Amino acid sequence: KNQVEQSPQSLIILEGKNCTLQCNYTVSPFSNLRWYKQDTGRGPVSLTIMTFSENTKSNGRYTATLDADTKQSSLHITASQLSDSASYICVVRSNNAGNMLTFGGGTRLMVKP
Amino acid sequence: ETGVTQTPRHLVMGMTNKKSLKCEQHLGHNAMYWYKQSAKKPLELMFVYNFKEQTENNSVPSRFSPECPNSSHLFLHLHTLQPEDSALYLCASSQEVGVGNQPQHFGDGTRLSIL
Repeated sequence: KNQVEQSPQSLIILEGKNCTLQCNYTVSPFSNLRWYKQDTGRGPVSLTIMTFSENTKSNGRYTATLDADTKQSSLHITASQLSDSASYICVVRSNNAGNMLTFGGGTRLMVKP
Repeated sequence: ETGVTQTPRHLVMGMTNKKSLKCEQHLGHNAMYWYKQSAKKPLELMFVYNFKEQTENNSVPSRFSPECPNSSHLFLHLHTLQPEDSALYLCASSQEVGVGNQPQHFGDGTRLSIL
């Protein structure tokens, strides 16, 4: 069964600190992995996408990594800001006939001043 | 402005009411999706439309009835809902179903509360 597990479920950090969110998946065959940011009361917005051959990809202060061998991804946030407070959702696409998406449960991040 | 607009943003209804959720996208996409997002649960795909044709119904109860009159508009008709149907309903669109690495663009959702 395809699954995406994210950890931690929630996280509180101080403004200016770094943090790392984890995503482990069992989706097969693998096509790509995407991180979304969902602000409270808003829909998810795509941050990065990782394909099989990519190990690291950055989008400003967000850096995603992918280890396709261990089926793990991480999202590292550098010098956090109050506006980073949101839920971060890991989504894995399988490369099967339906190109199905499997969603993680998200990590709720709160950045405090 | 996400390019995907959902109305209403909030809806409170009784179990015997009939209401509809509306989604409109101005991105020129051909695929549209309905998702349910409940507290502390992953997003659940409900329906997929590709070029106005329903390509997926993820075992959704018949009290939810989707309608896709054209590639830009998607509706979710609701009737005789249950309290457990209270959730955030998200609409999304993409270029086509399963095309490469194209992302799904989400609307901001309709927060539905069933009394």
